[in-house]
Amino acid sequence: DVKVTQSSRYLVKRTGEKVFLECVQDMDHENMFWYRQDPGLGLRLIYFSYDVKMKEKGDIPEGYSVSREKKERFSLILESASTNQTSMYLCAVVRRPYGYTFGSGTRLTVV
Amino acid sequence: DQQVKQNSPSLSVQEGRISILNCDYTNSMFDYFLWYKKYPAEGPTFLISISSIKDKNEDGRFTVFLNKSAKHLSLHIVPSQPGDSAVYFCAASARGTGTASKLTFGTGTRLQVTL
Repeated sequence: DVKVTQSSRYLVKRTGEKVFLECVQDMDHENMFWYRQDPGLGLRLIYFSYDVKMKEKGDIPEGYSVSREKKERFSLILESASTNQTSMYLCAVVRRPYGYTFGSGTRLTVV
Repeated sequence: DQQVKQNSPSLSVQEGRISILNCDYTNSMFDYFLWYKKYPAEGPTFLISISSIKDKNEDGRFTVFLNKSAKHLSLHIVPSQPGDSAVYFCAASARGTGTASKLTFGTGTRLQVTL
């Protein structure tokens, strides 16, 4: 099964900082996803990518961008962090035949 | 609009009894459904899934039931164990639309199994 690694488990950043969240997979899968999880709101899709340099907006892309320069790495970028972006961020890769394998998540706090 | 709904934010069940978690959906294009389990500070892990051509799928203590006409599915855990205490997410996919890999998640139900 694919292994999905998120580089940081916990992050604390200041308002206005540029923040990079990194996700790496080890199985050469094309499809990768970034979600955020908030109490009462479930998992909401921010961005996803079907291949290198390809990206598509999810349901809540505002305030975020992504980068996919290599197939194994999908980065989520907060251009100017705000307190309402405090959340648990989850990276996912398609798990064959259907569904996802998730990383362990990054708990981001913006102060 | 919430296409996948879990109307019970929390559920408490005694150890050894049955836990029933419910999920409703509105998009008739959804044809594949999954349940994920999530512990605090960890990513969700896949639990069980069901295709729309079936109405039941069983895996050990976990059974998922699908009622397509009601657009409703449920997860049964029998018998419930303290280690089952977690947040459970229902998810759905519309494989036939070409967006096969995109999942839509519900808001989650926190299950607590008490001794």
